[in-house]
Amino acid sequence: ETGVTQSPTHLIKTRGQQVTLRCSSQSGHNTVSWYQQALGQGPQFIFQYYREEENGRGNFPPRFSGLQFPNYSSELNVNALELDDSALYLCASSSSRTGGTDTQYFGPGTRLTVL
Amino acid sequence: KQEVTQIPAALSVPEGENLVLNCSFTDSAIYNLQWFRQDPGKGLTSLLLIQSSQREQTSGRLNASLDKSSGRSTLYIAASQPGDSATYLCAVNSGGGADGLTFGKGTHLIIQP
Repeated sequence: ETGVTQSPTHLIKTRGQQVTLRCSSQSGHNTVSWYQQALGQGPQFIFQYYREEENGRGNFPPRFSGLQFPNYSSELNVNALELDDSALYLCASSSSRTGGTDTQYFGPGTRLTVL
Repeated sequence: KQEVTQIPAALSVPEGENLVLNCSFTDSAIYNLQWFRQDPGKGLTSLLLIQSSQREQTSGRLNASLDKSSGRSTLYIAASQPGDSATYLCAVNSGGGADGLTFGKGTHLIIQP
């Protein structure tokens, strides 16, 4: 158990809809990152939040957005869903700003299917 | 742009064998390298974290090495067991929130009873 939880476990949406995924980090971890993992691929970095501000972003369009809250919870929002957004979405928390020296702890993921 | 490659993509060995999984990365300017295990449809479990100044880390039957100058890491699993069957992912941290972790595609490992 890493202490990182995600909800929901599974989600089915239709193309064009919007979705919100949630993550609860380990207590004391003020850095949270989100990743997208397509089937058979390694996770791809979406963005990172540190103390409620985005401080890094991967190659994902603006329709992927996030929020981090003071209680160590965070959200990933995806607008205008596309079929290619179907994937496992993972959040990871660590206690350092860049995760430079600290282990990143991953949650169990949310499986999103877009029809 | 950092790229991570894992070889082999899949591996099947009999129980009890020692085995080595390989990871290579293109940019040697890294903070650390982390090995993860992923069971089907599940999240990632951290196995070992090697800082850029370290050469190896050990945990139980697992040993990970890092040669930063050549851009390589290996994960050694001793006396493999059926419960070791999973996908093993290598990820490098190149520093700075802008990059996050860069992952390889993983090695799918099957240990035959």
